[in-house]
Amino acid sequence: ETGVTQTPRHLVMGMTNKKSLKCEQHLGHNAMYWYKQSAKKPLELMFVYSLEERVENNSVPSRFSPECPNSSHLFLHLHTLQPEDSALYLCASSQPSGGLNEQFFGPGTRLTVL
Amino acid sequence: DAKTTQPPSMDCAEGRAANLPCNHSTISGNEYVYWYRQIHSQGPQYIIHGLKNNETNEMASLIITEDRKSSTLILPHATLRDTAVYYCIVFTSGTYKYIFGTGTRLKVLA
Repeated sequence: ETGVTQTPRHLVMGMTNKKSLKCEQHLGHNAMYWYKQSAKKPLELMFVYSLEERVENNSVPSRFSPECPNSSHLFLHLHTLQPEDSALYLCASSQPSGGLNEQFFGPGTRLTVL
Repeated sequence: DAKTTQPPSMDCAEGRAANLPCNHSTISGNEYVYWYRQIHSQGPQYIIHGLKNNETNEMASLIITEDRKSSTLILPHATLRDTAVYYCIVFTSGTYKYIFGTGTRLKVLA
């Protein structure tokens, strides 16, 4: 248990569906992250929120839409995805301070797009 | 692109020390070395980080060369549960961004 939870743990969706991934952190951190991990590829940073403001958007297609309503919750809204978007989506949180940025990761959502 | 280079895989006998190398020859003065590991299909787990000095915690030791161009993560007594992919990351102070490479797949053998 890292203090970061993600739901659902598994999701299967069609290309025309709309779904959302949810992340919640119970650590009092002020930064939250979405990462994508495709098979046989390194983790890719998608979005970063600090104090509920988006501070990083790593050229992610608009079919992925993040939302951070407060410092404890982070969502990733999905619509009209492609099969190549099938991956493990990981959420993380941290309390950055200078060189210290230990990130705590959730267990991930395994997404399959049919 | 990742700023680090790691061997793709290593084996280690259970109970022996596992020494995982990492090259980061372009590291800057305000960049830290972080190590994480990822056990199959779980989220990565923080292990240790350092700037210049060697560091030790309950999980591992981190040895950074004097020129800071490479480092070694040492798991002193590897167990089967240490089988995982180990990532060495260079992190710039004051930013949020980790750039993960492909890591080293460590297999601990009984």
